[in-house]
Amino acid sequence: KNEVEQSPQNLTAQEGEFITINCSYSVGISALHWLQQHPGGGIVSLFMLSSGKKKHGRLIATINIQEKHSSLHITASHPRDSAVYICAVIDDMRFGAGTRLTVKP
Amino acid sequence: NAGVTQTPKFQVLKTGQSMTLQCAQDMNHEYMSWYRQDPGMGLRLIHYSVGAGITDQGEVPNGYNVSRSTTEDFPLRLLSAAPSQTSVYFCASTSGNTIYFGEGSWLTVV
Repeated sequence: KNEVEQSPQNLTAQEGEFITINCSYSVGISALHWLQQHPGGGIVSLFMLSSGKKKHGRLIATINIQEKHSSLHITASHPRDSAVYICAVIDDMRFGAGTRLTVKP
Repeated sequence: NAGVTQTPKFQVLKTGQSMTLQCAQDMNHEYMSWYRQDPGMGLRLIHYSVGAGITDQGEVPNGYNVSRSTTEDFPLRLLSAAPSQTSVYFCASTSGNTIYFGEGSWLTVV
């Protein structure tokens, strides 16, 4: 079974700060997802990564397959980025516990 | 195209009652799954289906049943609700490496 670990569990930042959320997994995978869950519950997929790096606006996701590690970065954070961010290994449907991000104005 | 539709949004049950959480998708995806989300824990897989007529257990299947009579629908049944089943439930539909979630169902068992 793949163990998926995320850190930190909680993160508070001031508006404009650079944010990094980390995810590690124990077994080799074909792809990893970063998900975003806003208060009220809805979960959406931000990125699907199998190698390298992807960028959508202020969000950047990277993955190192050899080290079994992925990071989600948010540049110039904004209060609307406040949410829970979850990494997920879709191969065997295992999820990290999530990182609760709060961005203060 | 509604994506994944999950009902009800909120439900309060008494211990021992049964109920069904409904999940439907209109994307013709073969793979569907149910999860529960508890504080401090990641989403945990309850049951999943790789196509109509095929279901299998996930990580936490006890106390839940599923069926998949059509590609579109994947209901989750609680046979005899227990307080330990108080949780938020999510249905998801997967195609290749893309996953879509329902809006979630908040279930409280008293």
